[in-house]
Amino acid sequence: QVQLQESGPGLVKPSETLSLTCTISGGSISTYYWSWIRQPPGKGLEWIGYIFYSGSTNYNPSLKSRVTISLDTSKNQFSLKLSSVTAADTAVFYCARGYYDFWSGYYLWYFDLWGRGTLVTVSS
Amino acid sequence: SSELTQDPAVSVALGQTVRITCQGDSLRSYYASWYQQKPGQAPVLVIYGKNKRPSEIPDRFSGSNSGNTASLTITGAQAEDEADYCCSSRDSSDNHVVFGGGTKLTVL
Repeated sequence: QVQLQESGPGLVKPSETLSLTCTISGGSISTYYWSWIRQPPGKGLEWIGYIFYSGSTNYNPSLKSRVTISLDTSKNQFSLKLSSVTAADTAVFYCARGYYDFWSGYYLWYFDLWGRGTLVTVSS
Repeated sequence: SSELTQDPAVSVALGQTVRITCQGDSLRSYYASWYQQKPGQAPVLVIYGKNKRPSEIPDRFSGSNSGNTASLTITGAQAEDEADYCCSSRDSSDNHVVFGGGTKLTVL
């Protein structure tokens, strides 16, 4: 059974870089879009970006200047770096597995597997 | 990038049917996916593609797409269905992922 687990500091100082890692256990990296999603307290989900197993990336334009997502296939992990954080970046961060296909004239996109999430607080 | 619009809150009487909708231009090209999220828990995929459910999701959950609108229907809502429901899609022009703002479902 494939599982995702986020890890990283729960507290980051303003202006510093937030770094998180997602470990993929029980499955392969290939075929999927490995994604980061966040949820500020009491608010909705916000897509941060994804990395395809080939290494290509796509980021939310509102965060693009501060985000880097990378993949380490040897460790079955992918990582998120978000620079110059402020209190507005305080959120639960989820890693998730995205799937894309084309079927019956429509594109298909969904996140079928999520980590449990990790709360990151930005505070001095 | 496109946006997805959902009603903030919907309520349903126990055992009745409720429909939660999601609107956005990306839905003209993409099937919506739907996620259930209970307090303190990660989202769970409940509907994807053309009305497909992961094996662990009860068959009272169903989905449909028409034009720029996707719908999630719960037929015979149960108390355990009380949760936030969020739709998602992807923009076909720039491949950016979008989420709706979420709908809080209350089962009365």
